[in-house]
Amino acid sequence: GAVVSQHPSRVICKSGTSVKIECRSLDFQATTMFWYRQFPKKSLMLMATSNEGSKATYEQGVEKDKFLINHASLTLSTLTVTSAHPEDSSFYICSAADRAAGEKLFFGSGTQLSVL
Amino acid sequence: SQKIEQNSEALNIQEGKTATLTCNYTNYSPAYLQWYRQDPGRGPVFLLLIRENEKEKRKERLKVTFDTTLKQSLFHITASQPADSATYLCALCENAGNMLTFGGGTRLMVKP
Repeated sequence: GAVVSQHPSRVICKSGTSVKIECRSLDFQATTMFWYRQFPKKSLMLMATSNEGSKATYEQGVEKDKFLINHASLTLSTLTVTSAHPEDSSFYICSAADRAAGEKLFFGSGTQLSVL
Repeated sequence: SQKIEQNSEALNIQEGKTATLTCNYTNYSPAYLQWYRQDPGRGPVFLLLIRENEKEKRKERLKVTFDTTLKQSLFHITASQPADSATYLCALCENAGNMLTFGGGTRLMVKP
């Protein structure tokens, strides 16, 4: 089946650092990828929809300048948390849809970000 | 307001029994509903999709029902095993574009 690779799996950084998270579709092309944030024992909250070759669509309340999304190719989307602060600490997950597989989403393994 | 509600309390059952998880929604008209499994520190994994015009779907030991009148989906795992222990998420999609909205998930613990 389709595979989505997310890297890194864990990041610990100092406050003020920018952190980049990569999401790759390994064996299919993804014109659309989704970025989520998840707090412990809470649901996945959609942050933004990443569209290849165009600007991302952000959900209400998500700061565009804080969470920069780039979808430069059909197999790669990146999320950059700029000037991270402790409140940005969370579990970030990406997903993508493989059209050949129908409507189901394939998720990356997630990135645990801890900002000190 | 729109809501997707899953029981936030963990469901503890004995191995071999049938686990039933509930997903209720309010103020949605889903085109389809999906169920995912999520293990700690991992991304969700797709299990089943059921469309608005379908009442039941099965896959091996899994069964999903969808009642658009009650606005509810039930997820059943028969002959449960300790390996089934995980958090199960339901997700709704109202229109094309694959944008899913997730419920909070229910943690299932199957005891040997």
